[in-house]
Amino acid sequence: QSVLTQPPSVSGAPGQRVTISCTGNSSNIGADYDVHWYQQLPGTAPKLLIYDSANRPSGVPDRFSGSKSGTSASLAIAGLQAEDEATYYCQSFDSSLSGAVFGGGTKLTVL
Amino acid sequence: EVQLLESGGGLVQPGESLRLSCAASGFTFTTYAMAWVRQAPGKGLEWVSAIGTSGKHTYYADSLKGQFTISRDNSKNTLSLQMNSLRVEDTAIYYCAKSTGGSGRLRGFDIWGQGTVVTVSS
Repeated sequence: QSVLTQPPSVSGAPGQRVTISCTGNSSNIGADYDVHWYQQLPGTAPKLLIYDSANRPSGVPDRFSGSKSGTSASLAIAGLQAEDEATYYCQSFDSSLSGAVFGGGTKLTVL
Repeated sequence: EVQLLESGGGLVQPGESLRLSCAASGFTFTTYAMAWVRQAPGKGLEWVSAIGTSGKHTYYADSLKGQFTISRDNSKNTLSLQMNSLRVEDTAIYYCAKSTGGSGRLRGFDIWGQGTVVTVSS
């Protein structure tokens, strides 16, 4: 059971917009710790998509955006493309565990 | 080119030890905290351990305290993870990851190695 809760799967048609939620509590996201998002393609290492809740590293398309409010964060992907099909993870810091924590991951299927 | 290259994985029996290494290149190693993240077969990501820039400050997932030891050699741009008393449930791909800043717990990880596979089985 992950400290950060993500839906196991989401799906969308090419061109559509999807959002992936990441729900925490008062020890992590709710304590205003930043959230980071990763994309993992099958058989590869994770890739940083969003850092510090809403910032994109250079090279990441602006179709990807992040937001945070209260005890939750969201990753939005606009203009879905076939290559976006992957598993997405959120990450934050948990003060009660005194360590980084990841969500359980969300598998995105592009229909 | 910014790169992390892990080594040291393999097949060991329960109770044995293993030492993982991660060679960093292409960035100023001493400026960034580093971490290990693992992924069990078919499972999600799990933060294992992190170390500050000087190596003085180390942090571990609660379930691994006393079993794993993280260290770094800033003169050789190398990160290490000493794993003792290995259990079947420690079987995973172990990734070395570079923090975006001075914390390996609060910040994101912008550079990842390709991973090294650790299998614990009798």
